[in-house]
Amino acid sequence: GAVVSQHPSRVICKSGTSVKIECRSLDFQATTMFWYRQFPKKSLMLMATSNEGSKATYEQGVEKDKFLINHASLTLSTLTVTSAHPEDSSFYICSAREGGQENSPLHFGNGTRLTVT
Amino acid sequence: AQKVTQAQTEISVVEKEDVTLDCVYETRDTTYYLFWYKQPPSGELVFLIRRNSFDEQNEISGRYSWNFQKSTSSFNFTITASQVVDSAVYFCALSEKGNFNKFYFGSGTKLNVKP
Repeated sequence: GAVVSQHPSRVICKSGTSVKIECRSLDFQATTMFWYRQFPKKSLMLMATSNEGSKATYEQGVEKDKFLINHASLTLSTLTVTSAHPEDSSFYICSAREGGQENSPLHFGNGTRLTVT
Repeated sequence: AQKVTQAQTEISVVEKEDVTLDCVYETRDTTYYLFWYKQPPSGELVFLIRRNSFDEQNEISGRYSWNFQKSTSSFNFTITASQVVDSAVYFCALSEKGNFNKFYFGSGTKLNVKP
């Protein structure tokens, strides 16, 4: 089955620093990837849709200058949390769909647990 | 309004019991897709099943079965003879033909299976 790899799985950083999270599709090409955020004991919240070769599409209320997304190739999307603050601490998960069918399921990475001190 | 409702926040059962996780959805699209995902304590979401709106056939996969009822807009998930390894948070999700890249997730049901 489709595999999505996410790195790092866990990161602790100090307030004011930036953190980059990588998401790779390992055995398929993904022109579109999705970045979600999950708060403890909560559902997944779509942050943005990452598009290869063009700008990401952000959901309402998500600061695009805060959460920089770059989709440089058909297998790699990165999310950079800039000038991180403790309220950015969360579980970030990327996903991608294998194939272009509209009913293709999302395949998720292992997630990145970000802690900002 | 919530597109996907999972009314059961948390369920606890004893091993070998059967358990049903409820999922009710809302959409105006005539073509849509429903999914179930499992999120174990490790955090990774694992895809379990997809159902197209035009395919009302129910499905069984080992101890797992899914009951899709268009008349009640429900897509329930039953685990037969539950095991401790089934302990996880289960999410139901919906995508619509009109905007199929947008997934609507329910709030999840945490299943605790005790030995």
